[in-house]
Order: sequence, then C-alpha cells, then structure tokens
Amino acid sequence: DTGVSQDPRHKITKRGQNVTFRCDPISEHNRLYWYRQTLGQGPEFLTYFQNEAQLEKSRLLSDRFSAERPKGSFSTLEIQRTEQGDSAMYLCASSPADGSYEGYTFGSGTRLTVV
Amino acid sequence: AQTVTQSQPEMSVQEAETVTLSCTYDTSENNYYLFWYKQPPSRQMILVIRQEAYKQQNATENRFSVNFQKAAKSFSLKISDSQLGDTAMYFCAYRRWGGSEKLVFGKGMKLTVNP
Repeated sequence: DTGVSQDPRHKITKRGQNVTFRCDPISEHNRLYWYRQTLGQGPEFLTYFQNEAQLEKSRLLSDRFSAERPKGSFSTLEIQRTEQGDSAMYLCASSPADGSYEGYTFGSGTRLTVV
Repeated sequence: AQTVTQSQPEMSVQEAETVTLSCTYDTSENNYYLFWYKQPPSRQMILVIRQEAYKQQNATENRFSVNFQKAAKSFSLKISDSQLGDTAMYFCAYRRWGGSEKLVFGKGMKLTVNP
C-alpha cells in the first residue's frame, strides 16, 4: 500500500461545471476525511466517514457539495455548479479506528482552479 | 469553538541552527490532542509530532520537540540541527478528545532553512 492517493492532481474547470474528485485511502483505514485548503490558510474540515457512514459534515459543505464512500473503500467528492470561490486544494486523509490515534495520513491533494 | 493561532507567518534559519515555531490555541476542553504537521512543497502533509493534553511530559521525536504549556494554551515546536529538508509549511492543529474526529488547523508558518 503506497498511502493515500488522490485523483486528479490538478483540475481546471469553467465556472458552472461539475467536478468530481476521488480519494483512495490506506486499505486498512476505515476513517476518511476531506479538507479544503485555500491559499495562505490551513486546511479546513469538510466531512468525515467511518466506513461507509458519513458521520459529520461542516457548514462549509454547501448544497453544491456531496461526498460518498460506497462500500467503505474509496471516496468521491463532487462539486456541482462550481464557483470561483471553490478554487482550492482539496485534501483527503485516512486513519485507523483503533483508538490509538497516531494521526492522519494525508494524500497529495487535488488542486482545483475554477476559471 | 476551538481556534488555533500561529502568529508568525514566516521564518528563516541557517542550516544546523535551532528554531522555535509558536502556536497558541483556545479551548474549554480539558482533554485533547495537539499536533504539528509539515507540508513540504510537494504538498503532502506529514505528521511531525503529537501531544496528548493529559501528559505532562513534552513529546520528543528525534530533532523535534515541543514545549506544551497547558495553562497558557501554548504549544511550540523546536527544531534542532535544522536541515535543508525541513523547509516547508508547518501547521499546528488541535483535536478534541473523543467525539468529532476533525482537526482544527492554524494558518501555518513557512519555514526556510538556508545553507
């Protein structure tokens, strides 16, 4: 297992288009997180899954955003009707649910540019 | 709501020197975790060190150590014998004990290690 992978690495889209990102966590990790990072800021929490259940969503996750994790494996984050303010790095992370909490393993992120 | 503040946006240090990065946080919780993450130019976040609030002993990981002052809500990171590979953005982060799994990040600090 090579860690958390995210696809694509970069995405340029026109305003109003829909985009979908994919995250493949470490296989034995059953917790998966999405964060958004804008320029000059730290990552901001978007949502969190334990297995296939979406347990928490931030108020940042507007109606245009939806995340899924079918079968508790990979996850997708979709943004509908993109706006320029959606331009950011979208980070995925995973962690085991063993209570030890060694910290997340992050992916390299998907950089979205809305033009 | 918990907040994390990193007041120094940028620092530079000469190779082999020691540098301290500051972080303060605000919480009404008694038990929590604190973290320092490193984000090199490749953009993948890496956990540097973590501290459990109930532990009085400061965490240490090789050249990295923290000064955790719970009463002052301060959590600084000391990097000894700085190396060129330490050049990165450094983020301080907070997580509640139990409950939500989300991390609350500071804005980050850009550290440059000069040869």
